[in-house]
Amino acid sequence: EPEVTQTPSHQVTQMGQEVILRCVPISNHLYFYWYRQILGQKVEFLVSFYNNEISEKSEIFDDQFSVERPDGSNFTLKIRSTKLEDSAMYFCASMQEQSSYEQYFGPGTRLTVT
Amino acid sequence: AQRVTQPEKLLSVFKGAPVELKCNYSYSGSPELFWYVQYSRQRLQLLLRHISRESIKGFTADLNKGETSFHLKKPFAQEEDSAMYYCALREPGGGFKTIFGAGTRLFVKA
Repeated sequence: EPEVTQTPSHQVTQMGQEVILRCVPISNHLYFYWYRQILGQKVEFLVSFYNNEISEKSEIFDDQFSVERPDGSNFTLKIRSTKLEDSAMYFCASMQEQSSYEQYFGPGTRLTVT
Repeated sequence: AQRVTQPEKLLSVFKGAPVELKCNYSYSGSPELFWYVQYSRQRLQLLLRHISRESIKGFTADLNKGETSFHLKKPFAQEEDSAMYYCALREPGGGFKTIFGAGTRLFVKA
């Protein structure tokens, strides 16, 4: 069964550094998402992406964040200048189509900002 | 603002006992409600959604619009049900983002 994959599984970076988290959604899916979960807190929506553009973003997704689908298979989340509070588990998800009910989640990337 | 509340962080029951994981939501329109499960060291996966009204792994959940609740129930808990359970609401339209509750850890004791 196809799965969403994410790399790396764990990323450690220093405060102020740029980081790129990578995701490969399921191949025939059209909607893509990033969520994050700070340790001990709930899973929070960051951004949704459809037809090569952001369709919705949360208040968390400020100018330090950006997303890209550079080559038709990868879906990346970039944080330009990481802060300590960006430390979290970041989940990518994809959904096949508008009428589909299931978002398929990746295993997550644990980002640690020191 | 839309919101999903799971009042219990941890629920511990004995094997064979009934289980009810509570979920309440606030949303002005007609949302789609889901339960997601995360077993130890596995990814988040969909357990069930309110539209399908199905039973998955013995779990059921009924949407009560009057009480704005979507509680998850199972009559006889099994040890393999031990996991983190998240109630979630999805807004129809737009980017179809999903809003999660804080989650309830279910621990089924032998």
